[in-house]
Amino acid sequence: GAGVSQSPRYKVAKRGQDVALRCDPISGHVSLFWYQQALGQGPEFLTYFQNEAQLDKSGLPSDRFFAERPEGSVSTLKIQRTQQEDSAVYLCASSLGPDSPLHFGNGTRLTVT
Amino acid sequence: QQQVKQSPQSLIVQKGGISIINCAYENTAFDYFPWYQQFPGKGPALLIAIRPDVSEKKEGRFTISFNKSAKQFSLHIMDSQPGDSATYFCAARGSSGSARQLTFGSGTQLTVLP
Repeated sequence: GAGVSQSPRYKVAKRGQDVALRCDPISGHVSLFWYQQALGQGPEFLTYFQNEAQLDKSGLPSDRFFAERPEGSVSTLKIQRTQQEDSAVYLCASSLGPDSPLHFGNGTRLTVT
Repeated sequence: QQQVKQSPQSLIVQKGGISIINCAYENTAFDYFPWYQQFPGKGPALLIAIRPDVSEKKEGRFTISFNKSAKQFSLHIMDSQPGDSATYFCAARGSSGSARQLTFGSGTQLTVLP
């Protein structure tokens, strides 16, 4: 389809493992956001890219979290040395530009055991 | 600090009734206020949005009412249907710089009884 695609849909990691979550935005969308959604809560901002430039990473909870978008399209969110508190749904969203409506993917549910 | 406060946490409405969800914000730099609908296992989907230069926007059965002086806005769902049962999030966004991201409320779980 033409929507935002995220993979994997589900990820189980043992505490201490590293994980990588992938986001394929809608083609031509310049802006890309990552959000974290805890169970029963609203999404919380993690980081924002415009093309390949990471313009805001103020929401990343620790230096274990790292995001990249090297060619201005696909983005990867990496979490190193996962902890139980990292368990959440990680949502990716893209838009044509910073003032355009956001389109969300269906997320990756990360469970850290 | 919660910048967007949403209520109620849950809401049960009979089919055909009106569902009303309220949000209040603190940051006067916010200039875009969307509502998102989320079904289990899915990402949030944009429902309707408003900017502060208008007090009301209607799209089909969905209406946003906006009160700039009170820093409040609400979603009204007319003739609610069982298919509207979902979680609804209000959100707000700033106009420049590092404020480009949406700040979400905590969500309202709506159940429409048949």
